[in-house]
This record gives sequence, C-alpha cells and structure tokens, in this order.
Amino acid sequence: DTGVSQDPRHKITKRGQNVTFRCDPISEHNRLYWYRQTLGQGPEFLTYFQNEAQLEKSRLLSDRFSAERPKGSFSTLEIQRTEQGDSAMYLCASGILLGNTEAFFGQGTRLTVV
Amino acid sequence: DQQVKQNSPSLSVQEGRISILNCDYTNSMFDYFLWYKKYPAEGPTFLISISSIKDKNEDGRFTVFLNKSAKHLSLHIVPSQPGDSAVYFCAASAEGGTASKLTFGTGTRLQVTL
Repeated sequence: DTGVSQDPRHKITKRGQNVTFRCDPISEHNRLYWYRQTLGQGPEFLTYFQNEAQLEKSRLLSDRFSAERPKGSFSTLEIQRTEQGDSAMYLCASGILLGNTEAFFGQGTRLTVV
Repeated sequence: DQQVKQNSPSLSVQEGRISILNCDYTNSMFDYFLWYKKYPAEGPTFLISISSIKDKNEDGRFTVFLNKSAKHLSLHIVPSQPGDSAVYFCAASAEGGTASKLTFGTGTRLQVTL
C-alpha cells in the first residue's frame, strides 16, 4: 500500500458537465476526508466519512456535490452541472481517528472548468 | 470567517538561519494543532503537531510553540535548508487527536536561499 491515491490527477471539463473523482485511502484507515483548495488559500473541509457513514458536510458542499464511500473503502466525489467556480484542487485524506499518526493526503485532483 | 490565520504570505531566509512561521487562531475549541508542508503538485505532508496541553513540541530541526492565552503558535526551523522551501500550512482541530477534521490557514511560502 503506497498511500492515498486519487484519480484522475487532472480534469478539464466544460461548464455544465458532471465530473466524478475517486479516492483510494490507505486500507486500514477508517476516516476519509475531502478538502478543496483554491489558489492562494489553504485546504477547506468539504465532507468526511467514518467507515461508510458520511458524518458531516460543509456548507461549501452545495446540492450539486455528492460524496459516497460504499463499504467503507474507496470514495467518490461527484460534481453535477459544473460551474467555473468549481475549478480547484480536490484533496482526499485518510487516517485512523485517535490512531498514532496524522491523516495522509493524496496528491489531489486538479479540476478546471472552462 | 477565517478561524486560522497565517498573516505572512511569504518568507525568505538564508540557508543555515532560523525560519519562524506564525499562525493565529480564533476558535477556543481548537485543541490540537498541526503544521503541514506542501510542494507544488503534491498533497500536503504532515510535519509536526502539538496538543493544547503542551506549549512546545520538538522533532529534529522543527519545533512548534503554542501560546494558548494569545491563541498563537509558531513553527521554528533551525537550521533552514534549501529543501525546506515549500508552502507551510498551519491547521487546527477541535477533536483533540490525530486524523481529525482540520481547519487550515492560508499558508506561508518559505524560500530558503543559498
């Protein structure tokens, strides 16, 4: 297991299209987070899962956004009817809550909406 | 509402000297603080953390200081090396432990010059 994997690394899409990103966490990690980072800002929390349960969603996550983590393994983040303001780096992180290490981040998916 | 603030967008330090990166927070519920380092086109990587019950934590060249009464923390890197050049994010959690939901600052770009 080489860490948190995100796919794709880059995505260019036309405004109005739907996109889906995938995150494969480190296998034994029960927590999985999605963050969004725009230029000049730090990562902003979007949502997180404890195993397969989605426990919190940020107000940044409009109803065009949906995330799933079936069976508590990989997770997907879907954006419907993309807008130019959705252009950002989408970061996934995983960890074991109250384990002995902090969360590990993936390399991110850079979304560009044109 | 920026609950974690890094007021210096950039810092330039000569190799071998001390780098001091600062961070302020406003939420009294934060009880665990972390520093992450980020290179371009990569996800953030964990550097060092500190619990609110401590005022100092040291790991090799990196030391984090926490002043709870001032709601201020700082990261000291000594001696600074060219490989330390990156963007550093301060992050905070109200869950008291590792792999928890994080609120990030906007980052400080550190450049270590020869």
